[in-house]
Amino acid sequence: SSELTQDPAVSVALGQTVRITCQGDSLRSYYASWYQQKPGQAPVLVIYGKNNRPSGIPDRFSGSSSGNTASLTITGAQAEDEADYYCNSRDSSGNLVVFGGGTKLTVL
Amino acid sequence: QVQLVQSGSELKKPGASVKVSCKASGYTFTSYAMNWVRQAPGQGLEWMGWINTNTGNPTYAQGFTGRFVFSLDTSVSTAYLQISSLKAEDTAVYYCARAVCTNGVCRFDYWGQGTLVTVSS
Repeated sequence: SSELTQDPAVSVALGQTVRITCQGDSLRSYYASWYQQKPGQAPVLVIYGKNNRPSGIPDRFSGSSSGNTASLTITGAQAEDEADYYCNSRDSSGNLVVFGGGTKLTVL
Repeated sequence: QVQLVQSGSELKKPGASVKVSCKASGYTFTSYAMNWVRQAPGQGLEWMGWINTNTGNPTYAQGFTGRFVFSLDTSVSTAYLQISSLKAEDTAVYYCARAVCTNGVCRFDYWGQGTLVTVSS
């Protein structure tokens, strides 16, 4: 399958830890990348590869992977982390790219 | 600094065509693939495909063949997305995104600001 599946919505209390997951067969072969998108803005890369953060991304964001599941963890969620989060990866063939459906994160 | 600057919003009638531009700066244009991503109103991100900026060879995702064309003008470091025979369901924000693809991961590290294309009679 070339699909990536994400939970539509997740919530977390301010300051707590939240894990957002992405499932798909292609994740057994390829790492996911994670993007944060706030309303009216372009997506921003927050995690890629095994667990790499682009410059400027807070270290409360981390990534991990096991089997067919990739995870984005926010340790000590802040109000500004409220956003939509998308994973993407190569598809199983390695030639194309797929996005997950996105997870809306609410910080309570 | 790396920047991708897209052309402005477009309002088109059904059946018309539109060409969206994505001008890159701050890096060697031909060193990175350029991707196109669609986001319909209230929906998620959808990968449309990518173009090899070295060879000009495009690859289209399923559902984006026929009416969608990726092209380049490397002399001005610009990628283009042309959509013909526009339909109401093409109404969306279209993003260009630079891709860095290594061994096991393909990441989109810089994105344009997005171009809203509205198709309405």
